[in-house]
Amino acid sequence: EAQVTQNPRYLITVTGKKLTVTCSQNMNHEYMSWYRQDPGLGLRQIYYSMNVEVTDKGDVPEGYKVSRKEKRNFPLILESPSPNQTSLYFCASSGRMSSGANVLTFGAGSRLTVL
Amino acid sequence: DAKTTQPPSMDCAEGRAANLPCNHSTISGNEYVYWYRQIHSQGPQYIIHGLKNNETNEMASLIITEDRKSSTLILPHATLRDTAVYYCIVRGYNTDKLIFGTGTRLQVFP
Repeated sequence: EAQVTQNPRYLITVTGKKLTVTCSQNMNHEYMSWYRQDPGLGLRQIYYSMNVEVTDKGDVPEGYKVSRKEKRNFPLILESPSPNQTSLYFCASSGRMSSGANVLTFGAGSRLTVL
Repeated sequence: DAKTTQPPSMDCAEGRAANLPCNHSTISGNEYVYWYRQIHSQGPQYIIHGLKNNETNEMASLIITEDRKSSTLILPHATLRDTAVYYCIVRGYNTDKLIFGTGTRLQVFP
């Protein structure tokens, strides 16, 4: 089944303890992206990647890192999490964005709480 | 990227058509209109997209005005399972960013 898999789905952690949220897709998609969702603010893009070794900042990149060493994986790294990063996170992927119309496939989400 | 404006909420009776409007007055010629929906806190789900012509698929119809400054998503026979937040997004041909906004919360009632 074509899908985007995120782990963990739920995580409670403490301020300053580094964590990684993994994202993997099995559709050979070039484009991958991370979003966070907070009440009243909709979905905001954190980082995106057009292809392997190519990443770029979205609208809210502060406090996050990403890497794209393999086509299928796009982990989101919080080096020193803070309570304002408590949020619902979504990973998404699609075929090459420059090829016209494209459809994003989203993961199920990862709910992160930073105490 | 063009911005979109949607009403924050709408109601619809089960079995009736749900018409969700979206304004994108600054859209440019090569920007597509996409619709996604999010049920509760699940990952957003693609519904439909279009450039200039009206589009229909098994889920919905998309009506784009001739000047392309607005569009309407139509769910022809809304069910309780269609209760969700619906996002209208405009994306350029060579743009990598996708700006979702806050969407329209559609409540389908019995």
